[in-house]
Amino acid sequence: NAGVTQTPKFRILKIGQSMTLQCTQDMNHNYMYWYRQDPGMGLKLIYYSVGAGITDKGEVPNGYNVSRSTTEDFPLRLELAAPSQTSVYFCASSFGQGNGPQHFGDGTRLSIL
Amino acid sequence: QKEVEQDPGPLSVPEGAIVSLNCTYSNSAFQYFMWYRQYSRKGPELLMYTYSSGNKEDGRFTAQVDKSSKYISLFIRDSQPSDSATYLCAMQQGGSEKLVFGKGTKLTVNP
Repeated sequence: NAGVTQTPKFRILKIGQSMTLQCTQDMNHNYMYWYRQDPGMGLKLIYYSVGAGITDKGEVPNGYNVSRSTTEDFPLRLELAAPSQTSVYFCASSFGQGNGPQHFGDGTRLSIL
Repeated sequence: QKEVEQDPGPLSVPEGAIVSLNCTYSNSAFQYFMWYRQYSRKGPELLMYTYSSGNKEDGRFTAQVDKSSKYISLFIRDSQPSDSATYLCAMQQGGSEKLVFGKGTKLTVNP
């Protein structure tokens, strides 16, 4: 049972570089989410999607973009990496409102130098 | 006042102790309450999921929700070193896609 799979696990970027964090789930969940977790700051929602082709901003969307072309995949793109984007990024999925909790991947640790 | 408050600890207990972890909240519209366990360098793992007020038990874990006091608790009985982790509370309004998380409490159970 794979659940939510995130790649890569670790990455170091230089300022100004771009990259895509990959997330895929095999639970046929409609809803998918991207969070960032900074030390002592809890989890903050970046973007979420309620289904293929539908995305919406969360609490901290600036500097990120997402797309949702399939039910399974929800990639997160950083276009111009900045040191403030150094964080641990978690992808999660769920069936949706009132239909069960969110399930998380193991995260991508990203450093911008 | 923050929407969800959680004491970050750290909390250190001897093996076999009863552990009590707590969160308070200000939004009376929260209806779904969760506890996640997060080991170092891992993603949050769902422990307990409850709707509205009341208690829920699963093995050594008991979750309590008191909506009148806006207070939720997680009790761990007979704590084990393998319970050493950060525990996150999370809450959700009915009809909302979004979870609101506490900042997490770091627990260490000493053998």
